[in-house]
Amino acid sequence: SQQGEEDPQALSIQEGENATMNCSYKTSINNLQWYRQNSGRGLVHLILIRSNEREKHSGRLRVTLDTSKKSSSLLITASRAADTASYFCATDRFQKLVFGTGTRLLVSP
Amino acid sequence: GAGVSQTPSNKVTEKGKYVELRCDPISGHTALYWYRQSLGQGPEFLIYFQGTGAADDSGLPNDRFFAVRPEGSVSTLKIQRTERGDSAVYLCASTPQAASTDTQYFGPGTRLTVL
Repeated sequence: SQQGEEDPQALSIQEGENATMNCSYKTSINNLQWYRQNSGRGLVHLILIRSNEREKHSGRLRVTLDTSKKSSSLLITASRAADTASYFCATDRFQKLVFGTGTRLLVSP
Repeated sequence: GAGVSQTPSNKVTEKGKYVELRCDPISGHTALYWYRQSLGQGPEFLIYFQGTGAADDSGLPNDRFFAVRPEGSVSTLKIQRTERGDSAVYLCASTPQAASTDTQYFGPGTRLTVL
């Protein structure tokens, strides 16, 4: 079963704009990860944030975590057409990942 | 170095047939995971191996699904008497060890279509 929900389900923006995706989850976690998937195939790890961290940055990515609300957000700044993909949050649960339903991001040139 | 590889990349079979999907993890990674992803959904956990043994197979949907990793490296996911509902992308991932904070490295997946 899916652990969490991402919203929006789909997001369409222009190049240069920022994209924000949100993830909510149900149970306590040790960490939360964000993955990217192109064309419905292999996933690529983007960033991991631990339960005792509130914010983390990696290049144009910024992730926040609010454990009291059981939610996380992924911000992609200055988006590019190459950022077009599906983005998934995943929480660890007994040494396996439980993925959300994903946000499909379309960045138009 | 080489990443996780999966073969075949696409598999089309008929209802009732047997299929095998193969995963080659990153060399030296002791943990190997299988996930299934249906269209429009996130990946769902099937089974994970720590070395040669299945540490958690709670995600296997029924006894038609079975996976092995006899030498602690390559793994094969086996599906008997395939059904149309088994159509999905099957993803494999590996990690250096099974610690929950480890990044999982995914293969490109096998797209299974059951006609």
